[in-house]
Amino acid sequence: DAGVTQSPTHLIKTRGQHVTLRCSPISGHKSVSWYQQVLGQGPQFIFQYYEKEERGRGNFPDRFSARQFPNYSSELNVNALLLGDSALYLCASSPQATGELFFGEGSRLTVL
Amino acid sequence: TQLLEQSPQFLSIQEGENLTVYCNSSSVFSSLQWYRQEPGEGPVLLVTVVTGGEVKKLKRLTFQFGDARKDSSLHITAAQPGDTGLYLCAGAGSGGSNYKLTFGKGTLLTVNP
Repeated sequence: DAGVTQSPTHLIKTRGQHVTLRCSPISGHKSVSWYQQVLGQGPQFIFQYYEKEERGRGNFPDRFSARQFPNYSSELNVNALLLGDSALYLCASSPQATGELFFGEGSRLTVL
Repeated sequence: TQLLEQSPQFLSIQEGENLTVYCNSSSVFSSLQWYRQEPGEGPVLLVTVVTGGEVKKLKRLTFQFGDARKDSSLHITAAQPGDTGLYLCAGAGSGGSNYKLTFGKGTLLTVNP
C-alpha cells in the first residue's frame, strides 16, 4: 500500500516568490496535517484538515494557507517567501482527526 | 504554549551500550508519542503512551509515561548501529487541541560499531 506521498521532494525559490506543496494521504485517511521542520528543530504544527474542514492552525502568518480536496489530498501554499521559510515541510495523514500520524518524506524548500 | 524539552540533544555511544533519552514539560498531555526520523525521511511512530505511569516495551526499547503525564523517557538496551537516528517526542494536547502535536527538538543518537 502506498504511504503518504509529497511533491515536489526538493525545490529552490527566491525571496518574494510563492510555493505550492502537495500531499496525497494514505488511502482511507481523512485527516491531513502539515508541519514545518527547520534544521535542528522538531516539527512545528501548521495546519490540520479533517473531512475538508480546517480543524486547527498553528502560530504561522497569513502567508501560509492550505486546503483539502474532495479526494482528501491537500495543498500547502506559502506566499511572499522569506529566507526563514527554508525548511522541510512534512505532511501527515491519519484515519481520524486524532491519533497516530503517518508522515511523508517531506518537501525540502530552500529560499535564496 | 506547551513546550517539550528533550535531553540530551546529542548522544554518541558504542554498540552494546545502554542509553536513556528524556522528554520533559510543565504541561499535561493527553498522550505522548515517540518517533524516530532518519535523514531524508519523515518521522516514523514508535509508540504512543496514554496513561500516567504506563510502560511499553518494543524489543530493546522501553518507553515510560510519567505519573503526572508531563514527562516521558525512552530507554534503549544494547544499542545497535541501526538505532541511529533522531528521536522525537510529541505530546497531544487536551480537549479541543488534541489534534495538534507539540514536538520536542529531538535527540540525535549515533551508535558506532
